[in-house]
Amino acid sequence: GAVVSQHPSWVICKSGTSVKIECRSLDFQATTMFWYRQFPKQSLMLMATSNEGSKATYEQGVEKDKFLINHASLTLSTLTVTSAHPEDSSFYICSATEFGTSGGNEQFFGPGTRLTVL
Amino acid sequence: AQKVTQAQTEISVVEKEDVTLDCVYETRDTTYYLFWYKQPPSGELVFLIRRNSFDEQNEISGRYSWNFQKSTSSFNFTITASQVVDSAVYFCALSDAPAASGGSYIPTFGRGTSLIVHP
Repeated sequence: GAVVSQHPSWVICKSGTSVKIECRSLDFQATTMFWYRQFPKQSLMLMATSNEGSKATYEQGVEKDKFLINHASLTLSTLTVTSAHPEDSSFYICSATEFGTSGGNEQFFGPGTRLTVL
Repeated sequence: AQKVTQAQTEISVVEKEDVTLDCVYETRDTTYYLFWYKQPPSGELVFLIRRNSFDEQNEISGRYSWNFQKSTSSFNFTITASQVVDSAVYFCALSDAPAASGGSYIPTFGRGTSLIVHP
């Protein structure tokens, strides 16, 4: 259980185009999803937190107009990198948590999407 | 502010050696949670352990063991008799208590330690 998928697993695009990455919780309802960015040999940096049906909360320094996040259903969140540039090339990882009645909920991580912008 | 330091950027060992990955953390909270994750070359993060700040008991799971010491703010991870399949990047992470009952842990990650196990 608690499987999170991402699509695509990798994408190469030209500078100036927009890229959409999907994150799905396959066997649970994810009330909260998170998007992380990881540069080579670096840590995971939280970009934003999204709750189903509401606007995402972005971390300081993350451009909300650049990285559009939509969490329209309990099993799907999308990250759109708008007008991508080479510096946006990175490994994007999503995670999801299932709402619980007590305690804290683990984040279940997706396999990541490697974006390369030429 | 929370901070996690993994001073070892890369460790190289030969199979069957024991190896310890260090993790030092900083937080002003009295209630917090510590994690270790494994990230193999495929990229997917694998959860290994979560430990809350009130539980200093060491834990052993197969070849894995964890040593939590609040006095030194450390949460070290030891792999006994390492295997080639253990080669991965290992992240230590720290989270506040969830904001509300039923809420989520939101870990702050260290920079990771790349472990290379040679046959």
